Amino acid sequence: KAGVTQTPRYLIKTRGQQVTLSCSPISGHRSVSWYQQTPGQGLQFLFEYFSETQRNKGNFPGRFSGRQFSNSRSEMNVSTLELGDSALYLCASSPRTGAADTQYFGPGTRLTVL
Amino acid sequence: AQRVTQPEKLLSVFKGAPVELKCNYSYSGSPELFWYVQYSRQRLQLLLRHISRESIKGFTADLNKGETSFHLKKPFAQEEDSAMYYCALSEAGNQFYFGTGTSLTVIP
Repeated sequence: KAGVTQTPRYLIKTRGQQVTLSCSPISGHRSVSWYQQTPGQGLQFLFEYFSETQRNKGNFPGRFSGRQFSNSRSEMNVSTLELGDSALYLCASSPRTGAADTQYFGPGTRLTVL
Repeated sequence: AQRVTQPEKLLSVFKGAPVELKCNYSYSGSPELFWYVQYSRQRLQLLLRHISRESIKGFTADLNKGETSFHLKKPFAQEEDSAMYYCALSEAGNQFYFGTGTSLTVIP
């Protein structure tokens, strides 16, 4: 099976702009989680979607939002970008939700905010 | 509150020496614990999970509920073990909490 894919791989934006990142899970996986990875904080959970519904949400401001489509593909949106949003954004898919299944990670989208 | 703590950011050991990467967690229930690894230029991937009690690439990890620890161990480190290691906890099958990671370097 093809692995988790994320597009774009790299993005450069300026403060105040907004950005949309995309994630396609492994075929058959219905849960998609998003993480922010920074050198100082490691991986921090943003949110999880399952069957087009947000199931869990981490401790991030409302500028961070997401959605999931009927084919399980997911998008993440960050509005009013700040310098501190520069990070690697990872998405991970798993077959189920609420079952502590193995997370399969994508390669990430590197976002740089200038 | 930090659920997973990895006290060492960097760890260097010589090839053939034993290695232990520390992980402590904070959770009152029955945790699901994992170790994930990220090799250079590769994706983050599962190394092992405590419930399966497997040994992967010579690594083992024992859950110590009394000490709330899940340290990763290998008796003889290899150069190919050099990578970033993350300990993770799943809370009641819901969201995952990852530690800040330990960068392991195995010196030839």
